[in-house]
Amino acid sequence: DAKTTQPTSMDCAEGRAANLPCNHSTISGNEYVYWYRQIHSQGPQYIIHGLKNNETNEMASLIITEDRKSSTLILPHATLRDTAVYYCIVVLTGGGNKLTFGTGTQLKVEL
Amino acid sequence: EPEVTQTPSHQVTQMGQEVILRCVPISNHLYFYWYRQILGQKVEFLVSFYNNEISEKSEIFDDQFSVERPDGSNFTLKIRSTKLEDSAMYFCASRPRTSGGYNEQFFGPGTRLTVL
Repeated sequence: DAKTTQPTSMDCAEGRAANLPCNHSTISGNEYVYWYRQIHSQGPQYIIHGLKNNETNEMASLIITEDRKSSTLILPHATLRDTAVYYCIVVLTGGGNKLTFGTGTQLKVEL
Repeated sequence: EPEVTQTPSHQVTQMGQEVILRCVPISNHLYFYWYRQILGQKVEFLVSFYNNEISEKSEIFDDQFSVERPDGSNFTLKIRSTKLEDSAMYFCASRPRTSGGYNEQFFGPGTRLTVL
């Protein structure tokens, strides 16, 4: 699986958009970009995934660059409950693929 | 909303003892996983299980570890002779059978294993 690089930490004011970047410059054509988060030692939680098109769901939006070498997770109106470690993971399609977690980005949402 | 459950939430054991960590995946899911997270470190993949057999395992998952789906609902992780370095949070996850790149894994709340 391709390696990802994320900033160690970010801060965001409550109510503002949180934009979390991820670099995955060695991603291959059959690898998806997944985002999970982990709130204080709870089990990781799926947020969103994409291949090459931008995606949006009730939790977040995912913007993938045209060359697919980087992406940005957007939480449009961050709340205190969004404080968590956010993981960008590249996953090969098909099969029962394992998730390879990096160190992620610690997002702190403050008043 | 269905969820993955794990028991116990905290297990304390003596070094060398056997432990069994239990998970009940979401009922229509077909792929099952165990991950662990040593305090302050990354979440690490241990093993994946599909169609009643291991489909992939990591280097961590040595002969001391085994998994089983004994009755169609539970999914267990056994550590035969625990070591101090096995102390960690163990997460079970499951996912349904899907096509394409969909790989949403649903994680349980974890079992904290403390080996003394």
